[in-house]
Amino acid sequence: QKEVEQNSGPLSVPEGAIASLNCTYSDRGSQSFFWYRQYSGKSPELIMSIYSNGDKEDGRFTAQLNKASQYVSLLIRDSQPSDSATYLCAVFRGSGGSNYKLTFGKGTLLTVNP
Amino acid sequence: SQTIHQWPATLVQPVGSPLSLECTVEGTSNPNLYWYRQAAGRGLQLLFYSVGIGQISSEVPQNLSASRPQDRQFILSSKKLLLSDSGFYLCAWSRGLSSYNEQFFGPGTRLTVL
Repeated sequence: QKEVEQNSGPLSVPEGAIASLNCTYSDRGSQSFFWYRQYSGKSPELIMSIYSNGDKEDGRFTAQLNKASQYVSLLIRDSQPSDSATYLCAVFRGSGGSNYKLTFGKGTLLTVNP
Repeated sequence: SQTIHQWPATLVQPVGSPLSLECTVEGTSNPNLYWYRQAAGRGLQLLFYSVGIGQISSEVPQNLSASRPQDRQFILSSKKLLLSDSGFYLCAWSRGLSSYNEQFFGPGTRLTVL
């Protein structure tokens, strides 16, 4: 079983629509969850962090976490062509000690059409 | 604010040649440092991480090695490159002693082994 799963896409949405990106994870002990945006040829950029169940909003972005369902999502409202990128979901177990590993999904390619 | 630098930005090397990639972080002390590789069509693979000077943990056995000679400097090396070493190498940092482990990536080095 893959540790962090994402639909590879591509996910195509029209400009101004809501883009919904989903991620599931296998480790129930996971404590921290992150969304990174990666433009083609560039490095990943951290855009959202979420640590507790519920929603967290930052501008046009909303992260949603449901630990019981082992599910985390990212909503992008009023999608813009500049949002076209690959979105990576990452999970941290936070077990303490020397375990600092972030586990990444393979990413979902989002295309926003003008 | 914190800044992370990587060089070189791009590198083309013949098979069997040595490798040295450098990463430095500014604006923070005692960071955790990470080396990742992103191969074409694959996800982010953690290669090494370090929680302090001279402390290196290896995630994947291979012909690469890492060193941390100074608090904010992380070096990735190889004595003899393989074709399979081609990829996008990313250095990242996170705050030490943080239970959340937000990781921030540098601009990356694109390595092509011919």
